[in-house]
Amino acid sequence: EAGVAQSPRYKIIEKRQSVAFWCNPISGHATLYWYQQILGQGPKLLIQFQNNGVVDDSQLPKDRFSAERLKGVDSTLKIQPAKLEDSAVYLCASSSPGLGEQYFGPGTRLTVT
Amino acid sequence: AQTVTQSQPEMSVQEAETVTLSCTYDTSENNYYLFWYKQPPSRQMILVIRQEAYKQQNATENRFSVNFQKAAKSFSLKISDSQLGDTAMYFCAFKETSGSRLTFGEGTQLTVNP
Repeated sequence: EAGVAQSPRYKIIEKRQSVAFWCNPISGHATLYWYQQILGQGPKLLIQFQNNGVVDDSQLPKDRFSAERLKGVDSTLKIQPAKLEDSAVYLCASSSPGLGEQYFGPGTRLTVT
Repeated sequence: AQTVTQSQPEMSVQEAETVTLSCTYDTSENNYYLFWYKQPPSRQMILVIRQEAYKQQNATENRFSVNFQKAAKSFSLKISDSQLGDTAMYFCAFKETSGSRLTFGEGTQLTVNP
């Protein structure tokens, strides 16, 4: 079974530029999560999708971050414009119903200069 | 809101020895799940072990076991016969039974020395 796929693995941008990350969850997983992990900290949930609907985006900085999950499969997370404090690893995870064990992708390391 | 605390930023252990990582949490819920995740330098978060709060028996997975103390809200991870490949960041995480959100601790960097 293929795992959660993410791209790119690394991205370096200047502040005020925009960037987008892509995630493909495990086949059949209805729930998809985006986490932000700042260096030295645990991951923090940014947004959770159930199929193509948003379940929880309470910690998403909506003035600059946006996410979508068209057709309930792949998802993109966008930052526009980026700030220095957005430098972090962005993790995507997916889960199936039941125990809801979350499976994580390899993450995208974003550096904003 | 739930909080998860890992009070040991760094730990080290000799290969083949046993090490215990600490985790405490705060919640008003009675039913929930607790997890330990491992994050090696590759950044891939890997589930190590899971504990359901309604189960009194401590979970075990090969060399990994937990000491779950519900009244004390404590959830420690014991790694026996440590291996070099166990070197990683370890995160304790909490999830309500009714929800999906994982709340993570700050992590403990474990180094296994040869």
